[in-house]
Amino acid sequence: DSGVTQTPKHLITATGQRVTLRCSPRSGDLSVYWYQQSLDQGLQFLIQYYNGEERAKGNILERFSAQQFPDLHSELNLSSLELGDSALYFCASSVSGTGVHEQYFGPGTRLTVT
Amino acid sequence: QKEVEQDPGPLSVPEGAIVSLNCTYSNSAFQYFMWYRQYSRKGPELLMYTYSSGNKEDGRFTAQVDKSSKYISLFIRDSQPSDSATYLCAMIPIYNQGGKLIFGQGTELSVKP
Repeated sequence: DSGVTQTPKHLITATGQRVTLRCSPRSGDLSVYWYQQSLDQGLQFLIQYYNGEERAKGNILERFSAQQFPDLHSELNLSSLELGDSALYFCASSVSGTGVHEQYFGPGTRLTVT
Repeated sequence: QKEVEQDPGPLSVPEGAIVSLNCTYSNSAFQYFMWYRQYSRKGPELLMYTYSSGNKEDGRFTAQVDKSSKYISLFIRDSQPSDSATYLCAMIPIYNQGGKLIFGQGTELSVKP
């Protein structure tokens, strides 16, 4: 158990809908990272927050947004969902804002868009 | 062309074999190199982390980085069925302001008893 929690574990929704994925980092970690894992693209970095502020951005779609709250938990919002958004979404956390410290991954949320 | 290339396998070996997993990369700015292990339906967990070129050993695992060839390897000695998982290499460039990891596709390893 990495100490990073993600909810829900599974999510099945229809195209065009909006969902929110939630992540709680390990105690003491200030950075939260979101990654998307699909069969064809592998594990792709989406976005990073450090102590409430956006620190780095990957190829995150405009339909996707995230935020980190004062209690350091983070939410990833996915809207206007398409079939291609079906994937595993991982949250990771680290103590610092630079990834040279170990990133601890959560168990993931499996999103299925039908 | 992807920044990090990794043979997806699958790779099947008998118990006790030495396993060699490899990644190549194109960005010469990569300075931090990691290997993650991912069991089915679980999140990745960090196995090894190296900075720049050289070798690092941790128990049955050895990580090697050859920056001149842009090539990294993970060796597993005396492989066990419990090593069956997907192994992902990951890298961070030296100019990185955050913690963005660039991952390879992952190699699926199966160790047969």
